[in-house]
Amino acid sequence: GENVEQHPSTLSVQEGDSAVIKCTYSDSASNYFPWYKQELGKRPQLIIDIRSNVGEKKDQRIAVTLNKTAKHFSLHITETQPEDSAVYFCAASMSTDKLIFGTGTRLQVFP
Amino acid sequence: DTAVSQTPKYLVTQMGNDKSIKCEQNLGHDTMYWYKQDSKKFLKIMFSYNNKELIINETVPNRFSPKSPDKAHLNLHINSLELGDSAVYFCASTPGAGGVTEAFFGQGTRLTVV
Repeated sequence: GENVEQHPSTLSVQEGDSAVIKCTYSDSASNYFPWYKQELGKRPQLIIDIRSNVGEKKDQRIAVTLNKTAKHFSLHITETQPEDSAVYFCAASMSTDKLIFGTGTRLQVFP
Repeated sequence: DTAVSQTPKYLVTQMGNDKSIKCEQNLGHDTMYWYKQDSKKFLKIMFSYNNKELIINETVPNRFSPKSPDKAHLNLHINSLELGDSAVYFCASTPGAGGVTEAFFGQGTRLTVV
């Protein structure tokens, strides 16, 4: 089955700096790669997603890149703000709708 | 108007008890899930139902039994609770099988077994 690895497990940055979180997946048949943000005590919420026919997608300060050959995908947050502090999860899925999550990255943005 | 709602939000119970968590979605989605989030924040899929039919059943002790009376509801019943069952349980839903889109999560149920 699919396995998703995520790094780093914790990431601390200064406000205004960029943050990058990386994931690798094992099943080359996976075709959907969402990223979820989970604030303390809250539910995970989708922040951006990318499908296998696209190499990059951007939404304001957030971007995701996908390298299908290497089975890597990454989340890039630019100009980080304290409210970006949360746990971020990558996930991978095939068309069966079974979302497999990475182990999470705790991002702390210091003012 | 809450899209995916779970009850209760908190559940504290003694070892050996049986408890249920309820989930309802008003999005008209066909597929619902249960995820378990442990103390290390790992999100692991437990079950998935599509139109009331079980489609995913991960390696979960058979003390856990999901029930879907209709496609808008997916409940989780846990028998003989153990200390290791303590976690946050999230219900989620997606529009359906045959394509993947955003999963909407409930607010979670924090289960504490003492």
